[in-house]
Amino acid sequence: ETGVTQTPRHLVMGMTNKKSLKCEQHLGHNAMYWYKQSAKKPLELMFVYNFKEQTENNSVPSRFSPECPNSSHLFLHLHTLQPEDSALYLCASSQAGTEGSPYEQYFGPGTRLTVT
Amino acid sequence: KNQVEQSPQSLIILEGKNCTLQCNYTVSPFSNLRWYKQDTGRGPVSLTIMTFSENTKSNGRYTATLDADTKQSSLHITASQLSDSASYICVVSSDKLIFGTGTRLQVFP
Repeated sequence: ETGVTQTPRHLVMGMTNKKSLKCEQHLGHNAMYWYKQSAKKPLELMFVYNFKEQTENNSVPSRFSPECPNSSHLFLHLHTLQPEDSALYLCASSQAGTEGSPYEQYFGPGTRLTVT
Repeated sequence: KNQVEQSPQSLIILEGKNCTLQCNYTVSPFSNLRWYKQDTGRGPVSLTIMTFSENTKSNGRYTATLDADTKQSSLHITASQLSDSASYICVVSSDKLIFGTGTRLQVFP
């Protein structure tokens, strides 16, 4: 688990706040992912980056804005969120490829986000 | 529609007992099937990855089976331990990853 770190681990924010989630991978991978995990729902892929370029955006609302400055770091900027955005946000990394590639994804511990 | 269904939704067993979790999928084309373990408040950790040609794969006390004809997989846990308490997620890889909702396993002493 220490291969992929996420900060903060917990975040409570109001609907008018702006905050950012950070993910860092120490595995030498070149693909990074953001997922949303809501209670009793399957993981939902949000964004995929390969070699710092965004290769997938699964119709995510614009109040979520990803940033990938290099292959080791991934951010998720949040603004004007809604209570239904409260969830566990997971970051993952893998060797480069599409989401369905055979390369194994390594997940971080997640950020538990609560929007009040 | 590509779907992955897991059963049961939740399961309670006593320490030392065996259990089997089920995964049925309707995903095409099929690339591989993965089982993840997710502890509460943690990210998922991979247990096994199985390709079309693999029928069974073990990782310690965890044994996964795959029947590509019937599109079914199972995860068998032998001699359960308290640390096995977690959610177990089945994921099928096609042109994208299709996630199941998971089985919540609780192991009591």
